[in-house]
Amino acid sequence: KQEVTQIPAALSVPEGENLVLNCSFTDSAIYNLQWFRQDPGKGLTSLLLIQSSQREQTSGRLNASLDKSSGRSTLYIAASQPGDSATYLCAVHNTDKLIFGTGTRLQVFP
Amino acid sequence: DAGVTQSPTHLIKTRGQHVTLRCSPISGHKSVSWYQQVLGQGPQFIFQYYEKEERGRGNFPDRFSARQFPNYSSELNVNALLLGDSALYLCASSLGTVVVNNEKLFFGSGTQLSVL
Repeated sequence: KQEVTQIPAALSVPEGENLVLNCSFTDSAIYNLQWFRQDPGKGLTSLLLIQSSQREQTSGRLNASLDKSSGRSTLYIAASQPGDSATYLCAVHNTDKLIFGTGTRLQVFP
Repeated sequence: DAGVTQSPTHLIKTRGQHVTLRCSPISGHKSVSWYQQVLGQGPQFIFQYYEKEERGRGNFPDRFSARQFPNYSSELNVNALLLGDSALYLCASSLGTVVVNNEKLFFGSGTQLSVL
């Protein structure tokens, strides 16, 4: 059974810091891995999708890596801003569904 | 272009009642999935529909059912509501299925259901 874990559960940093959020999964047989952002009480916004054959994807200040053999992905946020404050969820795509971690709640203070 | 739209945005029901949640996918998307997100947890998969057929079902009781219409919109129905059904219900759409296309899911803003 696929399980997805995210560490840390919460993170509070000053503006301008570079951050690394971690995601691990137990079964390497995945189609892809997707990182999402969720603001309180809102839906999910897709940030990056890494296909199983890829090693990383970049979008602006965000960079996500994937190491299937070790069951790990990291989301790197450069030069964090208060507007980055949200919960970040990773999810692995396993056949017909996404399996989510419980998220990392990020707060960036000025 | 409109994204995934869900209605209603908020809903309050009492135990034992029935509820219907609605979802309209992005134009051109043929696959709709439903997820339940309990406060403080990641979303959990309930159903996937593609071309009006059920393609996947998560570990939820038979009180949960869904369907997809010819225009690819979808309804999620929950019977005999329990307090534990209180959650954010999210709908997601994609062009096809991940197995075929390996593509992103796009989520709506969700319906917040409170069962009293």
